[in-house]
Amino acid sequence: EIVLTQSPATLSLSPGERATLSCRASQSVSSYLAWYQQKPGQAPRLLIYDASNRATGIPARFSGSGSGTDFTLTISSLEPEDFAVYYCQQRSNWPWTFGQGTRLEIK
Amino acid sequence: EVQLVQSGAEVKKPGESLKISCKGSGYSFTSYWIGWVRQMPGKGLEWMGIIYPGDSDTRYSPSFQGQVTISADKSISTAYLQWSSLKASDTAMYYCAVVATTYYFDYWGQGTLVTVSS
Repeated sequence: EIVLTQSPATLSLSPGERATLSCRASQSVSSYLAWYQQKPGQAPRLLIYDASNRATGIPARFSGSGSGTDFTLTISSLEPEDFAVYYCQQRSNWPWTFGQGTRLEIK
Repeated sequence: EVQLVQSGAEVKKPGESLKISCKGSGYSFTSYWIGWVRQMPGKGLEWMGIIYPGDSDTRYSPSFQGQVTISADKSISTAYLQWSSLKASDTAMYYCAVVATTYYFDYWGQGTLVTVSS
C-alpha cells in the first residue's frame, strides 16, 4: 500500500499570503495524484487531478505540481474561504490512499 | 447534473447489522466507479473500497477487507456499504463518491453519519 505523507500538519497564514502544501509518496505514483479541499461539515471537493490539472470551477489561484514521489499544492494568494483541510490522494496502485491532511488556518 | 444522495443517519448498537446506500443520478451509473470513504470524528479521510457497477468488480483497502461489503444494484442506480456486525469503532461519517471524467472522486454524496453505541 502506498503511504502519502503530508506536511506540515498545520499551516497558519494570513489572507493574501501564499500557501505551499506538500505531499510525499512512499513510492512513485507517476502523476496520479489529486488534491481535495474539505471545509467543516462538508464533503471534500476535488481541486487538482493528475498532479497539475485544475478541476472544473476551481480558481486559478490553486495550482499543483510534482511527479514521482513529491507533490505540491500552491495557493497563490489566500482568500478567507480557502482556510480548510487539504488532502492528497493517489490512484496509481490499489488500494487508492489519502494523505493524513494539512489544516490551513488563519493566523 | 451529477448527484449522489446518501441514506440518512443511523444509530445502532454493537453487534447489529447495517446497510447504507448511495443513489446516483445525472450520469451513466454503470460506467463509472463508485467508492466509499470513512471519516472518523475529527480525523482524516480513509479510502475503504470501490465498485464498478457495470460488472461489479470490487476492490477493498486491506484495512477494510472482510470488515465491510460493497455492492451495487444497477437497476436502481444505487451503491451500498454494509456491515454484518458493527463495532463502536465503526462510528464515523461515510461518504460515497463517483470516479468520473477526471478518474478521481469528482462528485461526492452528502455523507451518512453512523453512530454505534450501547
